[in-house]
Amino acid sequence: EDKVVQSPLSLVVHEGDTVTLNCSYEVTNFRSLLWYKQEKKAPTFLFMLTSSGIEKKSGRLSSILDKKELFSILNITATQTGDSAIYLCAVQKDTGNQFYFGTGTSLTVIP
Amino acid sequence: NAGVMQNPRHLVRRRGQEARLRCSPMKGHSHVYWYRQLPEEGLKFMVYLQKENIIDESGMPKERFSAEFPKEGPSILRIQQVVRGDSAAYFCASSPQGFTEAFFGQGTRLTVV
Repeated sequence: EDKVVQSPLSLVVHEGDTVTLNCSYEVTNFRSLLWYKQEKKAPTFLFMLTSSGIEKKSGRLSSILDKKELFSILNITATQTGDSAIYLCAVQKDTGNQFYFGTGTSLTVIP
Repeated sequence: NAGVMQNPRHLVRRRGQEARLRCSPMKGHSHVYWYRQLPEEGLKFMVYLQKENIIDESGMPKERFSAEFPKEGPSILRIQQVVRGDSAAYFCASSPQGFTEAFFGQGTRLTVV
């Protein structure tokens, strides 16, 4: 059975801290891994990763994929209260086009 | 370019009624996905459609649920004879083609009373 597992389930940090969120997966016919940020509304797209070892970066956020060990990490440096959200990891397979989501990591950034 | 538009944002139905959820994809997007999110759970895939075609409905309950994406107009997710267990947030996403990132709408929060 295909699985996407995120850890930790929740995290509380202080402003300015750096956090690392983890996503491991077990799926057949892996194609890509995506990260989304969900506040109290629509998940917003962050990154799409298809190749191992190539870091994607956007401001204070960065992400990398390891296709050998079947995981990805999302790093957020110098966290701000606006980073508080649920971060979702999703895997897309080669067969079919749907995304398989993990249950998310709830991040709370305290001032 | 407006994002993915879902309406209504909130929908309250009594048990046994029908719920119709609408999704207008982003301009130029012909691929639509529906997901359901229960409290404390992740997004669960329901159905993937292209214009006038259901491509994958492996996540849809076999009964009472149906989806369409007509040539003109929004995609519709229809739930007949709703039950309390159908209460959830239903999200629609769209993409311009297969195997690219998908963009989500704000969701419809369905409450069955």
